[in-house]
Amino acid sequence: SQKIEQNSEALNIQEGKTATLTCNYTNYSPAYLQWYRQDPGRGPVFLLLIRENEKEKRKERLKVTFDTTLKQSLFHITASQPADSATYLCESYGGNQFYFGTGTSLTVIP
Amino acid sequence: DVKVTQSSRYLVKRTGEKVFLECVQDMDHENMFWYRQDPGLGLRLIYFSYDVKMKEKGDIPEGYSVSREKKERFSLILESASTNQTSMYLCASSLSGGGRNEKLFFGSGTQLSVL
Repeated sequence: SQKIEQNSEALNIQEGKTATLTCNYTNYSPAYLQWYRQDPGRGPVFLLLIRENEKEKRKERLKVTFDTTLKQSLFHITASQPADSATYLCESYGGNQFYFGTGTSLTVIP
Repeated sequence: DVKVTQSSRYLVKRTGEKVFLECVQDMDHENMFWYRQDPGLGLRLIYFSYDVKMKEKGDIPEGYSVSREKKERFSLILESASTNQTSMYLCASSLSGGGRNEKLFFGSGTQLSVL
């Protein structure tokens, strides 16, 4: 079955830098990948969706890429701010199967 | 904005009790989902529904059942609660058809403790 691996349990970066989070899938290429943000004690909030035939998607300071050769999606937050500190989840959908990664905890240090 | 409301924020139950977790969404979404979230394991799909009275098993349906009698309401039932069902339960909904989960809207979650 599909496995979604998010590299680095925790990531600390300096304010103003670009944060890059990774999401690797092990098996078949998903129809799409989604990225969510989760704050402590809250449900995840949808950020971006990228489809298999798309290379890159942007939304304000957020950018996501999808590389089917590397079986990987990268999630970038440019000009990071302390308010960006949260856990970011990657999710894949394909073949009527849904899988979430365990998330990467991001801390932006002022 | 879509609102997904879960009936309880915190719940404490005894082993063997029957537990109902209720979820209501207000945007006429086709699909509804129940997940549980545990440290180190991430979100795991229990059941989902793509239409009224329709349900599909997710990855971990054992020990759970669901009910969707109305489009806006999706209930998760623990027939006989056990301590290994202590977890954060998250309900979600999405508009897309065919059971796809594009752009999920989540509730705030129910932290269930089974003693």
